[in-house]
Amino acid sequence: DAKTTQPNSMESNEEEPVHLPCNHSTISGTDYIHWYRQLPSQGPEYVIHGLTSNVNNRMASLAIAEDRKSSTLILHRATLRDAAVYYCIGIQGAQKLVFGQGTRLTINP
Amino acid sequence: EADIYQTPRYLVIGTGKKITLECSQTMGHDKMYWYQQDPGMELHLIHYSYGVNSTEKGDLSSESTVSRIRTEHFPLTLESARPSHTSQYLCATAGQGVRGGYTFGSGTRLTVV
Repeated sequence: DAKTTQPNSMESNEEEPVHLPCNHSTISGTDYIHWYRQLPSQGPEYVIHGLTSNVNNRMASLAIAEDRKSSTLILHRATLRDAAVYYCIGIQGAQKLVFGQGTRLTINP
Repeated sequence: EADIYQTPRYLVIGTGKKITLECSQTMGHDKMYWYQQDPGMELHLIHYSYGVNSTEKGDLSSESTVSRIRTEHFPLTLESARPSHTSQYLCATAGQGVRGGYTFGSGTRLTVV
């Protein structure tokens, strides 16, 4: 599985877009990029995943660089409920999820 | 509406007691996982199972044991709890392939006094 690197923390304002970066320079051609988030006192929650193309769902968008060495999770309009730790994980197939430290996102009112 | 259930949600227990943390899922998923997480720290995989009668140890060594007798249940047992076992324990499942991602339970927060 690919090693990922994320900033320890980020801060944004309510109702503004948020771009959360992730570097995964050792990713292989078959590794999917998964994003999860963990709200305080809860288990992680699936956000989105992708392989090569950009992906959109009701929660977020995932922009994957053409060389696949990095990706960005985009929250189009942040709310206070989006404050959480966001994890970027490179994974092959349905194998084990290995979590890093993630990015702690703070949303200011 | 949760498809994966963990009980109890909170547990305070004395040193030396035997405890079992329950994890049940209604999705029919073959793959199940146990993670341990200390407050403000990373999640560490301690056990996983890819089906009935299949269990493996994860990346973090743990004194706990698991069993997988039925697809829907994946209990975790500590034979003799110690204060060092105080932590949050999270259970997760995954279906075939990568569609839909992994589903986590709400966790059991264990305190051993």
